Amino acid sequence: GEQVEQRPPHLSVREGDSAIIICTYTDSATAYFSWYKQEAGAGLQLLMSVLSNVDRKEEQGLTVLLNKKDKRLSLNLTAAHPGDSAVYFCAVSEGGSALGRLHFGAGTQLIVIP
Amino acid sequence: EAAVTQSPRNKVTVTGGNVTLSCRQTNSHNYMYWYRQDTGHGLRLIHYSYGAGNLQIGDVPDGYKATRTTQEDFFLLLELASPSQTSLYFCASSDVRKTSAETLYFGSGTRLTVL
Repeated sequence: GEQVEQRPPHLSVREGDSAIIICTYTDSATAYFSWYKQEAGAGLQLLMSVLSNVDRKEEQGLTVLLNKKDKRLSLNLTAAHPGDSAVYFCAVSEGGSALGRLHFGAGTQLIVIP
Repeated sequence: EAAVTQSPRNKVTVTGGNVTLSCRQTNSHNYMYWYRQDTGHGLRLIHYSYGAGNLQIGDVPDGYKATRTTQEDFFLLLELASPSQTSLYFCASSDVRKTSAETLYFGSGTRLTVL
């Protein structure tokens, strides 16, 4: 089955710096890619999602890159601020007959230092 | 904004105890899910459902039952709780359509401790 590896598990950056989180996956049939943010004591909230026909997507200071050849997905927070401090998860799915089955990475605890 | 409500927020039981976790979503989503979150593992899918009366097995189903009684309500049952089931449990819902990406809406979680 699908295996998703996420790194780093912990990341500290200064306010204004960029933060990069990377996930790798194993199933070449993976078709849906997403990033979720979990703030303390809360559930996960979707940040951004892309389908497999998209290599790059930018929204509101976030950039998602998808490299299908290397089976790698990344999230770049281009100018982090303290409100970005949270746990971030990647999640992938095959879609098709596997609709509804997301496989999550183990999470990255991001701390943004003012 | 989709609304997913879980209850209780916290639960403590003993080994062998019987526990039911409840989830209600009010946005007529077809899919509902139960995940557990453990440090180092991220979220792992226990069971999910694509409609009332339907149940699909997830990736870590052992020791858990689930029931989808209505479009809105999805329950997770631990009939003989064990300490290994101590975890943070999340319910989620989504409106999965074949032509669009899947977005999950999560509840705030139930922290279960099995002594």
